[in-house]
Amino acid sequence: AQTVTQSQPEMSVQEAETVTLSCTYDTSESDYYLFWYKQPPSRQMILVIRQEAYKQQNATENRFSVNFQKAAKSFSLKISDSQLGDAAMYFCAYRSAYVRWDGGSQGNLIFGKGTKLSVKP
Amino acid sequence: GAGVSQSPSNKVTEKGKDVELRCDPISGHTALYWYRQSLGQGLEFLIYFQGNSAPDKSGLPSDRFSAERTGGSVSTLTIQRTQQEDSAVYLCASSRGASSGANVLTFGAGSRLTVL
Repeated sequence: AQTVTQSQPEMSVQEAETVTLSCTYDTSESDYYLFWYKQPPSRQMILVIRQEAYKQQNATENRFSVNFQKAAKSFSLKISDSQLGDAAMYFCAYRSAYVRWDGGSQGNLIFGKGTKLSVKP
Repeated sequence: GAGVSQSPSNKVTEKGKDVELRCDPISGHTALYWYRQSLGQGLEFLIYFQGNSAPDKSGLPSDRFSAERTGGSVSTLTIQRTQQEDSAVYLCASSRGASSGANVLTFGAGSRLTVL
């Protein structure tokens, strides 16, 4: 079974600086997707960025980028020029690329326990 | 609708009572998921529906939990004889389909359940 581990329960960053959130995962599959979701106090889970395992190029979305190391099964999130609005819980998630209906993967996301990010003004 | 809608936003109930939580997915999304988020924990998969296929109930923690999805759209999660350990935020998500892992899940704002 796949697992996702976020080893940093809490992180803090100064406004305008850069912070990196760590995520490691365990899987025997070769094709899969990795995600970072943001959950502000409103509870709404918001997709931040997505990485396809078969793509070597790291995904980027404006100030957000990932460092995807497939061999090391590592998927860290870098937030540049941190803003007060970035303060939230961040969850790393894994999803199999191939969804099957024979008792195998059903396409649900497997989440880490999250990292609470604080941004200091 | 424009997004995934969940109701109620907050529910306080007494131990032993039954509760129903509702999820209205994005129009056209055939896959629907329920997750539970306990305090300080990640999201725990509960159940999911894909079109008219039998749901995957493998994540339901006990037989007190059940869910249905009517007409391939709205879903209701029912918890019978609630216990204090059921207190959590229950999140619903939908996606275009589960045929590909590329389909992104869109989440609702969740229903916070407090069992006294």
